Amino acid sequence: RKEVEQDPGPFNVPEGATVAFNCTYSNSASQSFFWYRQDCRKEPKLLMSVYSSGNEDGRFTAQLNRASQYISLLIRDSKLSDSATYLCVVRLDAGNNRKLIWGLGTSLAVNP
Amino acid sequence: GAGVSQSPSNKVTEKGKDVELRCDPISGHTALYWYRQSLGQGLEFLIYFQGNSAPDKSGLPSDRFSAERTGGSVSTLTIQRTQQEDSAVYLCASSLNRDNEQFFGPGTRLTVL
Repeated sequence: RKEVEQDPGPFNVPEGATVAFNCTYSNSASQSFFWYRQDCRKEPKLLMSVYSSGNEDGRFTAQLNRASQYISLLIRDSKLSDSATYLCVVRLDAGNNRKLIWGLGTSLAVNP
Repeated sequence: GAGVSQSPSNKVTEKGKDVELRCDPISGHTALYWYRQSLGQGLEFLIYFQGNSAPDKSGLPSDRFSAERTGGSVSTLTIQRTQQEDSAVYLCASSLNRDNEQFFGPGTRLTVL
């Protein structure tokens, strides 16, 4: 089993739709969780951190479910500009080392 | 302010040649990371620096790969005797410290012919 798994998609949705992605992680000792966004042929950029209580930033809501070991990202009222690959990142502390484990990403295409 | 910069933006080289890739992190960022990303693939972690030391080199794929960081700032990633499978985009990221958000540079696209 991969350490961080994401459905690669692509998810094709119309403008205005609500879409949700999940990301599962295998190590229960994982400490912190993030969603990054990567546009085609561009570098990744932080979209939002994921807090235990869940957090919302405008149209984006992130949730963490430790019991089932997954995080989710919900996008409401999708815009054309939301088309990108969404990368799930899990931080794992291992002694003096802190590892960031990246998922392969979920591709989203929002269509007019 | 200035973000993370990388040079060159594109590098085409012949198999067997050595290449050096450069990363200028955001000023004051103590943590620096190198990743590579092949076409259509996810990010592959290579190495992490905290200051000038590299506590985690676990991602370097072979002994042909090495990296250094001097003055707690600029880092270079060197690939010796390049192979075609080394072709990828090499991304550098920096963060204020290891707990903070990573900011990525635009990457160096390496093509080994």
